Amino acid sequence: GQQVMQIPQYQHVQEGEDFTTYCNSSTTLSNIQWYKQRPGGHPVFLIQLVKSGEVKKQKRLTFQFGEAKKNSSLHITATQTTDVGTYFCAARGSNYKLTFGKGTLLTVNP
Amino acid sequence: GAVVSQHPSWVICKSGTSVKIECRSLDFQATTMFWYRQFPKQSLMLMATSNEGSKATYEQGVEKDKFLINHASLTLSTLTVTSAHPEDSSFYICSASDLLGAAFFGQGTRLTVV
Repeated sequence: GQQVMQIPQYQHVQEGEDFTTYCNSSTTLSNIQWYKQRPGGHPVFLIQLVKSGEVKKQKRLTFQFGEAKKNSSLHITATQTTDVGTYFCAARGSNYKLTFGKGTLLTVNP
Repeated sequence: GAVVSQHPSWVICKSGTSVKIECRSLDFQATTMFWYRQFPKQSLMLMATSNEGSKATYEQGVEKDKFLINHASLTLSTLTVTSAHPEDSSFYICSASDLLGAAFFGQGTRLTVV
């Protein structure tokens, strides 16, 4: 099955600094999704990217899908304490089955 | 987005007993639901795909007799952890996807077996 590698595993930033997490696959992905899981909570869908080179923005969050559709990134500009959580990328396969990356735990120092 | 409700949110049970976890899609019909297990500070591990009206599809290494899945209606899937042992203690979470493929998760169930 498909695998997605996600780095870094942890990232600690000062409030106001930027943050980026990366997701890579050895195979071409039909799509990539991003989720956020707050400590003690459940994953919440953020976005889905399907087109080569696609870039989508949600306020301070920018999502990119690589030209070869093998990598993706999530960038947060000027982090806030509310951004704390684990960010997961996931590739959707057949029958809506998701393969998750290991996630990046973001902590923000106020 | 779609709403998925999971119950209970936490449960403590004695070793050897069985625990049933319910997952409901509240505002849409889900022919397929997914069950995951998540250990602390780790990613979600897919356990099985729950199919309405048919047998669940289990991932490699997941004991189907240990983790019984029933999907009797388009809005309800249940996961029963049978003869639970302390090593079954974990965070169990279900999801259902909308037509665009976005997954919506239940609140999760934290199971502690003592």
